[in-house]
Amino acid sequence: KAGVTQTPRYLIKTRGQQVTLSCSPISGHRSVSWYQQTPGQGLQFLFEYFSETQRNKGNFPGRFSGRQFSNSRSEMNVSTLELGDSALYLCASSLVGGAPTEAFFGQGTRLTVV
Amino acid sequence: KQEVTQIPAALSVPEGENLVLNCSFTDSAIYNLQWFRQDPGKGLTSLLLIQSSQREQTSGRLNASLDKSSGRSTLYIAASQPGDSATYLCAAISQGGSEKLVFGKGTKLTVNP
Repeated sequence: KAGVTQTPRYLIKTRGQQVTLSCSPISGHRSVSWYQQTPGQGLQFLFEYFSETQRNKGNFPGRFSGRQFSNSRSEMNVSTLELGDSALYLCASSLVGGAPTEAFFGQGTRLTVV
Repeated sequence: KQEVTQIPAALSVPEGENLVLNCSFTDSAIYNLQWFRQDPGKGLTSLLLIQSSQREQTSGRLNASLDKSSGRSTLYIAASQPGDSATYLCAAISQGGSEKLVFGKGTKLTVNP
């Protein structure tokens, strides 16, 4: 059974550009969550998608957005990139039943903004 | 608002030692507590999940306990090995209808041969 797949693994972008990251969850998992990891702030929750709907959102500016497709694959977009957006972006998938379930993470996308 | 704290931030031990990593959380109304391992530059690997109705979970040399009343969880690693060197993170889910995890900053473990 394939794990959570994130593409691309590495990205270098220039300030002001926009970027799209992709996440394919484990087959059968319906929830996809996104996290930003930086040395200073640790892991911070960006948003969660379930059945193509954003179910929860963290405290990030509107430049950060996401969506989920009918096959549960998810993308996140960051517009007008800033140097501070440089981070490891991690995606997690969960099965989702009656109660919160175990989360499985991908290898992440390392974004560098120059 | 749930806050998760992990102490110590770093730990260095000789190979073979048994050790305990600590995790504390402010909101005792949690659904799950999950322990992860992260190797440098990599994603998170799930180690153990403890549901709110459980007191502990075991997997091989790892044992995690949960005490909701005191707001604490511990991860016990028996007979540590150099391959256990990594950052260990705990995370809590405390909101129904959501899979949002609130993470601690992690404990960086180094096991010396």
